[in-house]
Amino acid sequence: GAGVSQSPSNKVTEKGKDVELRCDPISGHTALYWYRQSLGQGLEFLIYFQGNSAPDKSGLPSDRFSAERTGGSVSTLTIQRTQQEDSAVYLCASSPPLGRAGVLRQYFGPGTRLTVT
Amino acid sequence: AQKVTQAQTEISVVEKEDVTLDCVYETRDTTYYLFWYKQPPSGELVFLIRRNSFDEQNEISGRYSWNFQKSTSSFNFTITASQVVDSAVYFCALSEYSLTGGGNKLTFGTGTQLKVEL
Repeated sequence: GAGVSQSPSNKVTEKGKDVELRCDPISGHTALYWYRQSLGQGLEFLIYFQGNSAPDKSGLPSDRFSAERTGGSVSTLTIQRTQQEDSAVYLCASSPPLGRAGVLRQYFGPGTRLTVT
Repeated sequence: AQKVTQAQTEISVVEKEDVTLDCVYETRDTTYYLFWYKQPPSGELVFLIRRNSFDEQNEISGRYSWNFQKSTSSFNFTITASQVVDSAVYFCALSEYSLTGGGNKLTFGTGTQLKVEL
């Protein structure tokens, strides 16, 4: 079946502009995660959605970062007033609910490489 | 706070050699999960293995095996008879135990770059 998809695959933006990154999780997966991978910080958690529960936003680095998940499926990560330190690969992952095969593992998408110039 | 340490930054081996990747973790949780993920040059993270903290039985799966030692907070991963296609960055990760399914947020180590040469 289809895996996690992310768009765009690459994004170059000027400092100060806003960007939106999209994630399409695997159908039926209730949990969705955003991570960031950068040379300086490694792989770090950003935000986690689980079903209809309030998201865990504890990893968002500043209030310029926000994310939403519409209809329990597609998620958009928005970065406002981008800075050069936001340059990184943004990874999305999803997980199935309890009782489904593959539970408790995260399926990662290919990532969006963001470059802020 | 949770922490995962992968002290080996880069390892180079010759094909067919066995190689062990080290992982040490810190957590205050009494139950948790440990993972190994592989990131080939294509960039996509690929799940390899998961262990529960309450199950210390070590297993072998094909060319992969792992050694979970709760007493030393280590979760080492071994590839037997390495192949060139094993060349990748390997990440050890830790998450809280979850009753709701879907896992939980992962805390990653800094990764070990494995290079397997002919």
